[in-house]
Amino acid sequence: RKEVEQDPGPFNVPEGATVAFNCTYSNSASQSFFWYRQDCRKEPKLLMSVYSSGNEDGRFTAQLNRASQYISLLIRDSKLSDSATYLCVVNMLGGYGGSQGNLIFGKGTKLSVKP
Amino acid sequence: GAVVSQHPSWVICKSGTSVKIECRSLDFQATTMFWYRQFPKQSLMLMATSNEGSKATYEQGVEKDKFLINHASLTLSTLTVTSAHPEDSSFYICSARRRGGPLAYEQYFGPGTRLTVT
Repeated sequence: RKEVEQDPGPFNVPEGATVAFNCTYSNSASQSFFWYRQDCRKEPKLLMSVYSSGNEDGRFTAQLNRASQYISLLIRDSKLSDSATYLCVVNMLGGYGGSQGNLIFGKGTKLSVKP
Repeated sequence: GAVVSQHPSWVICKSGTSVKIECRSLDFQATTMFWYRQFPKQSLMLMATSNEGSKATYEQGVEKDKFLINHASLTLSTLTVTSAHPEDSSFYICSARRRGGPLAYEQYFGPGTRLTVT
Protein backbone atom coordinates (compact mmCIF):
# COMPACT_ATOMS: atom_id res chain seq x y z
CA ARG A 1 0.00 0.00 0.00
CA LYS A 2 1.35 3.40 -0.95
CA GLU A 3 2.09 5.75 1.92
CA VAL A 4 -0.05 8.56 0.57
CA GLU A 5 -2.74 7.84 -1.97
CA GLN A 6 -4.72 10.25 -4.06
CA ASP A 7 -7.11 9.97 -6.97
CA PRO A 8 -4.93 11.08 -9.91
CA GLY A 9 -7.81 12.69 -11.78
CA PRO A 10 -7.93 14.68 -13.90
CA PHE A 11 -10.88 16.54 -12.50
CA ASN A 12 -12.37 18.72 -15.23
CA VAL A 13 -14.83 21.21 -13.80
CA PRO A 14 -16.49 24.44 -14.97
CA GLU A 15 -15.72 27.78 -13.33
CA GLY A 16 -17.71 28.26 -10.18
CA ALA A 17 -17.96 24.56 -9.39
CA THR A 18 -17.15 23.05 -6.03
CA VAL A 19 -14.58 20.29 -6.15
CA ALA A 20 -13.35 17.91 -3.46
CA PHE A 21 -10.08 16.02 -3.28
CA ASN A 22 -9.49 13.06 -1.03
CA CYS A 23 -6.33 11.53 0.29
CA THR A 24 -5.51 8.59 2.53
CA TYR A 25 -2.27 7.88 4.36
CA SER A 26 -1.01 4.58 5.65
CA ASN A 27 1.16 5.48 8.62
CA SER A 28 -0.89 6.18 11.71
CA ALA A 29 2.15 7.84 13.34
CA SER A 30 1.98 10.69 10.84
CA GLN A 31 1.84 13.98 12.65
CA SER A 32 1.35 16.87 10.29
CA PHE A 33 -0.51 17.23 7.07
CA PHE A 34 -0.51 19.67 4.20
CA TRP A 35 -1.95 20.43 0.84
CA TYR A 36 0.44 21.80 -1.76
CA ARG A 37 -0.32 22.87 -5.30
CA GLN A 38 2.09 22.32 -8.13
CA ASP A 39 1.79 24.02 -11.48
CA CYS A 40 3.21 22.34 -14.54
CA ARG A 41 7.02 22.22 -14.43
CA LYS A 42 7.11 24.33 -11.26
CA GLU A 43 7.90 23.67 -7.63
CA PRO A 44 5.20 22.76 -5.10
CA LYS A 45 3.77 25.69 -3.18
CA LEU A 46 2.23 25.30 0.24
CA LEU A 47 -1.52 25.84 0.01
CA MET A 48 -2.46 25.12 3.58
CA SER A 49 -1.64 23.05 6.60
CA VAL A 50 -4.38 20.70 7.77
CA TYR A 51 -5.41 20.68 11.40
CA SER A 52 -7.48 18.15 13.31
CA SER A 53 -10.22 20.69 13.87
CA GLY A 54 -10.43 21.44 10.17
CA ASN A 55 -9.46 24.77 8.75
CA GLU A 56 -10.63 27.18 6.13
CA ASP A 57 -8.80 29.76 4.07
CA GLY A 58 -11.10 31.69 1.78
CA ARG A 59 -12.51 29.28 -0.77
CA PHE A 60 -10.40 26.39 0.50
CA THR A 61 -11.40 24.07 3.34
CA ALA A 62 -9.23 21.23 4.62
CA GLN A 63 -10.35 18.41 6.87
CA LEU A 64 -8.45 15.69 8.68
CA ASN A 65 -9.86 12.46 10.05
CA ARG A 66 -7.13 10.74 12.04
CA ALA A 67 -9.25 7.69 12.84
CA SER A 68 -9.80 7.00 9.15
CA GLN A 69 -6.37 8.37 8.13
CA TYR A 70 -8.11 10.55 5.62
CA ILE A 71 -7.53 14.12 4.47
CA SER A 72 -9.70 16.22 2.22
CA LEU A 73 -9.56 19.53 0.40
CA LEU A 74 -12.65 21.36 -0.77
CA ILE A 75 -12.44 24.20 -3.26
CA ARG A 76 -15.54 26.35 -3.62
CA ASP A 77 -16.34 28.68 -6.51
CA SER A 78 -13.39 27.38 -8.50
CA LYS A 79 -11.44 29.79 -10.68
CA LEU A 80 -9.45 29.22 -13.85
CA SER A 81 -6.34 29.98 -11.83
CA ASP A 82 -7.06 27.01 -9.57
CA SER A 83 -6.01 24.69 -12.40
CA ALA A 84 -3.00 22.80 -11.07
CA THR A 85 -2.03 19.52 -9.47
CA TYR A 86 -2.92 19.29 -5.80
CA LEU A 87 -0.52 17.31 -3.65
CA CYS A 88 -1.47 15.68 -0.39
CA VAL A 89 1.57 15.68 1.89
CA VAL A 90 2.17 13.94 5.18
CA ASN A 91 4.98 14.47 7.65
CA MET A 92 6.05 12.09 10.38
CA LEU A 93 6.94 15.05 12.59
CA GLY A 94 4.74 17.61 14.18
CA GLY A 95 5.47 20.69 16.23
CA TYR A 96 8.93 22.13 16.30
CA GLY A 97 11.18 19.26 16.95
CA GLY A 98 13.32 16.70 15.22
CA SER A 99 16.21 16.77 12.87
CA GLN A 100 14.38 15.06 10.07
CA GLY A 101 11.30 16.27 8.31
CA ASN A 102 10.42 13.64 5.84
CA LEU A 103 7.55 14.89 3.75
CA ILE A 104 5.78 12.07 2.00
CA PHE A 105 4.06 13.24 -1.15
CA GLY A 106 1.08 11.78 -2.89
CA LYS A 107 1.26 11.71 -6.67
CA GLY A 108 -1.23 14.52 -6.85
CA THR A 109 -4.66 15.13 -8.27
CA LYS A 110 -4.84 17.18 -11.41
CA LEU A 111 -7.53 19.84 -11.57
CA SER A 112 -8.55 21.61 -14.75
CA VAL A 113 -11.07 24.43 -14.45
CA LYS A 114 -12.74 25.36 -17.72
CA PRO A 115 -14.50 28.61 -18.61
CA GLY B 1 8.31 35.75 3.72
CA ALA B 2 9.72 32.24 3.36
CA VAL B 3 11.44 32.62 0.03
CA VAL B 4 13.77 29.90 -1.19
CA SER B 5 15.88 30.35 -4.28
CA GLN B 6 17.67 27.81 -6.42
CA HIS B 7 20.36 28.26 -8.97
CA PRO B 8 20.60 27.42 -11.78
CA SER B 9 16.99 27.00 -12.85
CA TRP B 10 18.01 24.73 -15.68
CA VAL B 11 21.22 23.16 -16.86
CA ILE B 12 22.30 20.94 -19.73
CA CYS B 13 25.53 19.06 -19.29
CA LYS B 14 27.44 16.28 -20.94
CA SER B 15 27.62 12.79 -19.53
CA GLY B 16 30.47 12.42 -17.07
CA THR B 17 30.57 16.03 -15.92
CA SER B 18 29.54 17.35 -12.51
CA VAL B 19 26.83 19.88 -11.80
CA LYS B 20 26.38 21.98 -8.66
CA ILE B 21 22.96 23.26 -7.61
CA GLU B 22 22.58 25.92 -4.92
CA CYS B 23 19.64 26.33 -2.59
CA ARG B 24 19.26 29.46 -0.48
CA SER B 25 16.71 30.57 2.07
CA LEU B 26 16.49 34.30 1.44
CA ASP B 27 14.55 35.68 4.36
CA PHE B 28 14.85 33.10 7.11
CA GLN B 29 17.34 30.77 8.69
CA ALA B 30 16.96 27.12 7.87
CA THR B 31 18.50 24.55 10.14
CA THR B 32 17.34 21.84 7.79
CA MET B 33 17.13 21.72 4.03
CA PHE B 34 15.90 18.88 1.89
CA TRP B 35 16.71 17.74 -1.60
CA TYR B 36 14.03 16.11 -3.71
CA ARG B 37 13.92 14.71 -7.20
CA GLN B 38 10.89 14.46 -9.43
CA PHE B 39 10.70 12.45 -12.63
CA PRO B 40 7.94 13.23 -15.15
CA LYS B 41 4.47 12.34 -13.87
CA GLN B 42 5.94 11.02 -10.63
CA SER B 43 5.70 12.32 -7.11
CA LEU B 44 8.52 14.12 -5.42
CA MET B 45 10.97 11.74 -3.82
CA LEU B 46 13.19 12.80 -0.96
CA MET B 47 16.86 12.22 -1.74
CA ALA B 48 18.54 13.55 1.37
CA THR B 49 18.18 15.73 4.42
CA SER B 50 20.81 18.38 4.94
CA ASN B 51 21.49 19.75 8.42
CA GLU B 52 23.64 22.81 8.87
CA GLY B 53 27.09 21.90 10.11
CA SER B 54 26.68 18.15 9.89
CA LYS B 55 26.63 15.39 7.32
CA ALA B 56 23.59 14.89 5.18
CA THR B 57 21.32 11.91 5.71
CA TYR B 58 20.54 10.06 2.52
CA GLU B 59 17.44 8.07 1.73
CA GLN B 60 17.75 4.44 0.84
CA GLY B 61 18.92 3.93 -2.71
CA VAL B 62 20.50 7.37 -3.07
CA GLU B 63 24.27 7.22 -3.55
CA LYS B 64 25.97 9.66 -1.21
CA ASP B 65 29.18 9.64 -3.25
CA LYS B 66 27.28 10.61 -6.36
CA PHE B 67 25.06 13.27 -4.85
CA LEU B 68 27.29 15.39 -2.65
CA ILE B 69 25.54 17.71 -0.25
CA ASN B 70 27.09 20.58 1.64
CA HIS B 71 25.18 22.74 4.12
CA ALA B 72 27.77 25.26 5.21
CA SER B 73 25.48 27.94 6.59
CA LEU B 74 21.95 28.46 7.83
CA THR B 75 20.93 29.86 4.47
CA LEU B 76 22.79 27.77 1.90
CA SER B 77 22.87 24.13 0.88
CA THR B 78 24.45 22.77 -2.29
CA LEU B 79 23.88 19.54 -4.18
CA THR B 80 26.57 18.36 -6.57
CA VAL B 81 25.68 15.65 -9.04
CA THR B 82 29.01 14.03 -9.82
CA SER B 83 29.75 12.17 -13.03
CA ALA B 84 26.24 12.81 -14.28
CA HIS B 85 24.57 10.32 -16.60
CA PRO B 86 21.43 10.64 -18.73
CA GLU B 87 19.41 8.75 -16.12
CA ASP B 88 20.18 11.57 -13.67
CA SER B 89 18.16 13.93 -15.84
CA SER B 90 15.34 15.12 -13.62
CA PHE B 91 13.78 18.04 -11.79
CA TYR B 92 15.73 18.67 -8.59
CA ILE B 93 13.95 20.69 -5.93
CA CYS B 94 15.21 21.84 -2.58
CA SER B 95 13.16 22.89 0.38
CA ALA B 96 14.00 24.62 3.61
CA ARG B 97 12.47 24.39 7.02
CA ARG B 98 12.43 27.44 9.25
CA ARG B 99 14.44 27.53 12.40
CA GLY B 100 12.03 27.65 15.29
CA GLY B 101 8.72 29.37 15.71
CA PRO B 102 5.19 28.18 14.99
CA LEU B 103 5.94 27.53 11.34
CA ALA B 104 9.02 25.45 12.05
CA TYR B 105 7.49 22.30 10.63
CA GLU B 106 6.48 23.84 7.31
CA GLN B 107 8.76 23.45 4.35
CA TYR B 108 9.18 25.99 1.59
CA PHE B 109 10.34 24.92 -1.81
CA GLY B 110 12.79 26.44 -4.20
CA PRO B 111 11.76 26.86 -7.84
CA GLY B 112 13.62 23.74 -8.87
CA THR B 113 16.48 22.96 -11.23
CA ARG B 114 15.81 21.06 -14.41
CA LEU B 115 18.87 18.97 -15.22
CA THR B 116 19.33 17.40 -18.63
CA VAL B 117 22.35 15.17 -19.16
CA THR B 118 23.20 14.44 -22.78
